[in-house]
Amino acid sequence: QTVVTQEPSLTVSPGGTVTLTCASSTGAVTSGYYPNWFQQKPGQAPRALIYSTSNRHSWTPARFSGSLLGGKAALTLSGVQPEDEAEYYCLLYYGGGYVFGTGTKVTVL
Amino acid sequence: QVQLVQSGAEVREPGASVKVSCKASGYTFTTYHVHWVRQAPGQGLEYMGIINPSGVTNYAQKFQGRVTMTSDTSTSTVYMELSSLRSEDTAVYYCARELPGSFNFDYWGRGTLVTVSS
Repeated sequence: QTVVTQEPSLTVSPGGTVTLTCASSTGAVTSGYYPNWFQQKPGQAPRALIYSTSNRHSWTPARFSGSLLGGKAALTLSGVQPEDEAEYYCLLYYGGGYVFGTGTKVTVL
Repeated sequence: QVQLVQSGAEVREPGASVKVSCKASGYTFTTYHVHWVRQAPGQGLEYMGIINPSGVTNYAQKFQGRVTMTSDTSTSTVYMELSSLRSEDTAVYYCARELPGSFNFDYWGRGTLVTVSS
């Protein structure tokens, strides 16, 4: 069974930078896994942030950026705002099926 | 504007089935795939499967044999039916659309809470 692993929690100061990663149990994550990133706040549906590794949606603030880093998918938040406090999930494509990451709770403190 | 409007909360007893709907508007229904995702209380997101505009489905292995996804193009509505419910199926069920080949889950429904309890 494929497992996609994220950091359980990260803390960042307002205005700071934090990088979340997304690792696959099958090996290095490449662009062929078409990584997606989602933000979820309590009681809300997930909101799409990034698709196909690094593409922002029209509503995604420029401070969110996606990349591949050391064999993992990565989401970097630069100039973090208090409203960025949320749970973040990655999603990877495995040839016909998808698997979500375990999620990262980002605290802005 | 694009909207995916899901049906209301449901309560079922163990062993029963539930059918959740996801009605699309604001775009050409037959142009997009629809995926289903669930989230148990306090847990992460779990991928369930996909239905394409032609009604072809692909279910995650965990749900094969218990889930059925269907599509009604006349009402722009997609349905997800889960059978043989157990307490572990208590979750919020979400639908999300994807333009075929884009690998882009852009718009999501607000979710439907399904509670399985005797």
